[in-house]
Amino acid sequence: DVVLTQTPVSLLISLGGQASISCRSSQSLVHSNGNTYLHWYLQKPGQSPQLLIYQVSNRFSGIPDRFSGSGSGTDFTLKISRVEPEDLGVYYCLQRTHNPPTFGGGTKLELK
Amino acid sequence: EVQLVESGGGLVQPGRSLKLSCAASGFTFSNYYMAWVRQAPTKGLEWVAYISTGGGSTYYRDSVKGRFTISRDNAKSTLYLQMDSLRSEDTATYYCTTLGGYWGQGVMVTVSS
Repeated sequence: DVVLTQTPVSLLISLGGQASISCRSSQSLVHSNGNTYLHWYLQKPGQSPQLLIYQVSNRFSGIPDRFSGSGSGTDFTLKISRVEPEDLGVYYCLQRTHNPPTFGGGTKLELK
Repeated sequence: EVQLVESGGGLVQPGRSLKLSCAASGFTFSNYYMAWVRQAPTKGLEWVAYISTGGGSTYYRDSVKGRFTISRDNAKSTLYLQMDSLRSEDTATYYCTTLGGYWGQGVMVTVSS
């Protein structure tokens, strides 16, 4: 199975600051069709995960442009600029390029 | 409005069975691969099983193979997870999801004597 390693495990950020989360894969996430199925989710306390970014860099419906995704191959990054209180929670990356789908271990974003 | 509503969770003894259901609405259910993802208390997300659009292909994580069965009824827009021979380590919140933008609110399964 593909292993996704997220770093850091936790992140202390001031309101208005910028956060960066890394997701590294044990193998390339480029599908044979040329697409890369690496997604980012935020799980707020007591809630279901919500999709932020799909296929590396595409913001899902209603997601503000403070969230951006980048990367290729095995290295991917989620950046959150101008952090707001509603951004707090645990962030996960998910790959669907290879079967079975696998999640990263999560990164907890907390206020400094 | 898209909705995925899980039901069927609860407290069950080790070795017993439970069947989860997920009723979908607001999107064309039959067009989507569907999955069950679980989250043990204070832990991360873990994929459990998923099923192709027509139900002809199914995939399971190793720890549930032979014990869990995923199925779907496209006419009823409903996803199922039959869980047999339950173990304490299956205790978790179970989410129904497209593994894209649509997730249910989750249903708790507790396996304990």
